[in-house]
Amino acid sequence: IVLTQSPDTLSLSPGERATLSCRASQTISSTYLAWYQQKPGQAPSLLIYGGSSRATGIPDRFSGSGSETDFTLTISRLEPEDFAVYYCQQYGSSLTFGGGTKVEIK
Amino acid sequence: QLQLQESGPGLVKPSETLSLTCTVSGGSISRSSYYWGWIRQPPGKGLEWIGSIYYSGTTYYNPSHKSRVTISVDTSKNQFSLKLSSVTAADTAVYYCARQGFSGSYFMAFDIWGQGTMVTVSS
Repeated sequence: IVLTQSPDTLSLSPGERATLSCRASQTISSTYLAWYQQKPGQAPSLLIYGGSSRATGIPDRFSGSGSETDFTLTISRLEPEDFAVYYCQQYGSSLTFGGGTKVEIK
Repeated sequence: QLQLQESGPGLVKPSETLSLTCTVSGGSISRSSYYWGWIRQPPGKGLEWIGSIYYSGTTYYNPSHKSRVTISVDTSKNQFSLKLSSVTAADTAVYYCARQGFSGSYFMAFDIWGQGTMVTVSS
């Protein structure tokens, strides 16, 4: 299953809303969809699993939604520490990652 | 608190075998709810899953690498290892080990990651 993330780069200001897309080449259950955040020089960290469940310690400004082939990560109000690269991942059929979306400061 | 730490050579020659070990501390690798995986990231690029292993030794691999990859586990040392044979410059990447949840019937996300180790393939 190929995951295509869009846009490649999102330029926003702190306080704005970020909407990141992840499209799958085949239908997958949201049970098997995760989102990760990666900051420069760091390992990825789990944000969302099961499509919409926040990992431990993740603030509620992060939310995941979607079904079948279209999934979305929403950051309701960007904080300075949220500027990073975000990856979606599916683990329902083998395991693949999307190419990533960079959220940068406008 | 569970921690994972990768170790191994930072430089490997082309056609040789890349070998890395992940040491798990702060918890047992033998817990039934988890697989243990390897993921890599070429410089400036995205993430690629390589494969995962259960404490019993059951493995599953990315089909793209299956012919070159061996992942093993040593529960007595609380470690698991990656071997990637016949490496080329395309295998240059940061290699991460990570814990992957397992419900008993389906796999879950990677919830704890090591800091990663850079491996360069060059003569």
